[in-house]
Amino acid sequence: GESVGLHLPTLSVQEGDNSIINCAYSNSASDYFIWYKQESGKGPQFIIDIRSNMDKRQGQRVTVLLNKTVKHLSLQIAATQPGDSAVYFCAENIVSGGGADGLTFGKGTHLIIQP
Amino acid sequence: GAVVSQHPSWVICKSGTSVKIECRSLDFQATTMFWYRQFPKQSLMLMATSNEGSKATYEQGVEKDKFLINHASLTLSTLTVTSAHPEDSSFYICSARSRLAKNIQYFGAGTRLSVL
Repeated sequence: GESVGLHLPTLSVQEGDNSIINCAYSNSASDYFIWYKQESGKGPQFIIDIRSNMDKRQGQRVTVLLNKTVKHLSLQIAATQPGDSAVYFCAENIVSGGGADGLTFGKGTHLIIQP
Repeated sequence: GAVVSQHPSWVICKSGTSVKIECRSLDFQATTMFWYRQFPKQSLMLMATSNEGSKATYEQGVEKDKFLINHASLTLSTLTVTSAHPEDSSFYICSARSRLAKNIQYFGAGTRLSVL
């Protein structure tokens, strides 16, 4: 389903700390999930993805965790830097069977890194 | 990495005029492109799916006659907002899916449309 929010949740962390951004997805049939980072006035930038046959995937300074039982996704950012300040969106998709659907985006979380 | 170029980045137009937005995949072929709309402080909402050489598929509630989509080649899709009105003012973002990395969608930088 679609997610529309009037106000983005905000997460404020100290520079150098770890941050965890959470997302609840809606479609139990979704089998592919992506985290995007969006800076003000720009398009979303791919961060990391995970398929439903996995529960954890790590990238550079980022880790995505997937809990299909409760339809929950999280993004962990280690040792946050000022450049990590942005809005983070999770997105879900169904890719099995060669589906060509657009992404369904979550509400987004505004991450603020404090010096 | 895959690059998606969107043009223009910002456009102001008078009510009643039409505006065309271009979305190009610069270094890969995109069998499918998507158009999203984003209002301030809100999430992205899918408007339509554009497949090369065929008609676009529109999401429920999106007027196909108002938002014309043309996907003439594997690297170009255009969105034309016809007879624009102030309520059409928004941030329009396209994405492209590579034939090789089929799952990942790469996004353009977006187009800020302001209708006066």
